[in-house]
Amino acid sequence: GQSLEQPSEVTAVEGAIVQINCTYQTSGFYGLSWYQQHDGGAPTFLSYNALDGLEETGRFSSFLSRSDSYGYLLLQELQMKDSASYFCAVRARPSGGYQKVTFGIGTKLQVIP
Amino acid sequence: SAVISQKPSRDICQRGTSLTIQCQVDSQVTMMFWYRQQPGQSLTLIATANQGSEATYESGFVIDKFPISRPNLTFSTLTVSNMSPEDSSIYLCSVDTLGRTEAFFGQGTRLTVV
Repeated sequence: GQSLEQPSEVTAVEGAIVQINCTYQTSGFYGLSWYQQHDGGAPTFLSYNALDGLEETGRFSSFLSRSDSYGYLLLQELQMKDSASYFCAVRARPSGGYQKVTFGIGTKLQVIP
Repeated sequence: SAVISQKPSRDICQRGTSLTIQCQVDSQVTMMFWYRQQPGQSLTLIATANQGSEATYESGFVIDKFPISRPNLTFSTLTVSNMSPEDSSIYLCSVDTLGRTEAFFGQGTRLTVV
């Protein structure tokens, strides 16, 4: 089967940097995604890593190590509006099945003044 | 990008009844997914719906309880049948297009069963 692990909660100060880690186990791995979800809202896409290394999009960066089955999301210059849940998600095609996205438990980030 | 219209946005239903949730996409998509999300929890995949074939259900979900239709490349429905309070949750449809890495989500249907 598939499994993902990420911290359930993180608290960080406005203006600081925070890293949210994610480890996964799956077969037929394609890539690792990150999604942001505010309370009452739908998940929105942040980033996707298919290859090893760092991808940067503005204040957000995402890293993947396929050999370690590990990735992280890095948020810089934190703003109050970044308070939300962040989900890592594995895109994979388990043998015999369709390609699908499986989500981790989500990390609730609280940004404090 | 894809714009997804999901309805109803919320409903309160009596136990034993059924609710059909609709998901309309503004472009043709290959794959549509239905998720369930308990408040404060992660998204759990219910099933994958491809046009022209029967939906593929994840472990713990069965067609009799969650029948799905996918009549064309822009539309799908999920029915929650014979509801009980344990079915109270947020149901989300998601679309995916081959070659894209991003999944798009509808705004969700908040279901309360009383």
